[in-house]
Amino acid sequence: DTAVSQTPKYLVTQMGNDKSIKCEQNLGHDTMYWYKQDSKKFLKIMFSYNNKELIINETVPNRFSPKSPDKAHLNLHINSLELGDSAVYFCASSQDRREGGIQYFGAGTRLSVL
Amino acid sequence: EDQVTQSPEALRLQEGESSSLNCSYTVSGLRGLFWYRQDPGKGPEFLFTLYSAGEEKEKERLKATLTKKESFLHITAPKPEDSATYLCAGAFSGGYNKLIFGAGTRLAVHP
Repeated sequence: DTAVSQTPKYLVTQMGNDKSIKCEQNLGHDTMYWYKQDSKKFLKIMFSYNNKELIINETVPNRFSPKSPDKAHLNLHINSLELGDSAVYFCASSQDRREGGIQYFGAGTRLSVL
Repeated sequence: EDQVTQSPEALRLQEGESSSLNCSYTVSGLRGLFWYRQDPGKGPEFLFTLYSAGEEKEKERLKATLTKKESFLHITAPKPEDSATYLCAGAFSGGYNKLIFGAGTRLAVHP
């Protein structure tokens, strides 16, 4: 039973389209995150929600909008996709938002924008 | 700005040849130092977390240590199945548990 699951695993789309990625965790955690891993494999935080409240919002284009319907789910919607959005997007969760808490990652969504 | 730097970028070992990976970090405000393993096409898998200088943790052939400015991941007598990218990350005070990742070390262990 996967602890942090993301869908879809692969997403291929055209420039200008709008797409969503979904994430669910069954660990009972309060805090969830979105990270982006670029072609050089660097992982960078994008957003974090704690119990449906946005607590981290890094310098990310406002075409990216996270939504958390409940504390077990965190979705990422991307408008007007650009070539530079091609990357692997990872969802993660931790028990709470305390600094130093262990984060558990999903398997990633590989987004290719053509 | 909080930073995490890993070295070497890539490491090739023969099976059984022990070595260490390095992770240096911004000194101020470390709240946790994390090691993850990432296999191709997969998400980072948690290995260890260290919270204070002098702390050590072990799991099979891996041992992680922490000093006041860096962490080491020691690999003893590695096997081919230890081949992966090893990521180091730090959580710093005031960051709401935002992990700052290093670029990773790609480890290849050959039989």
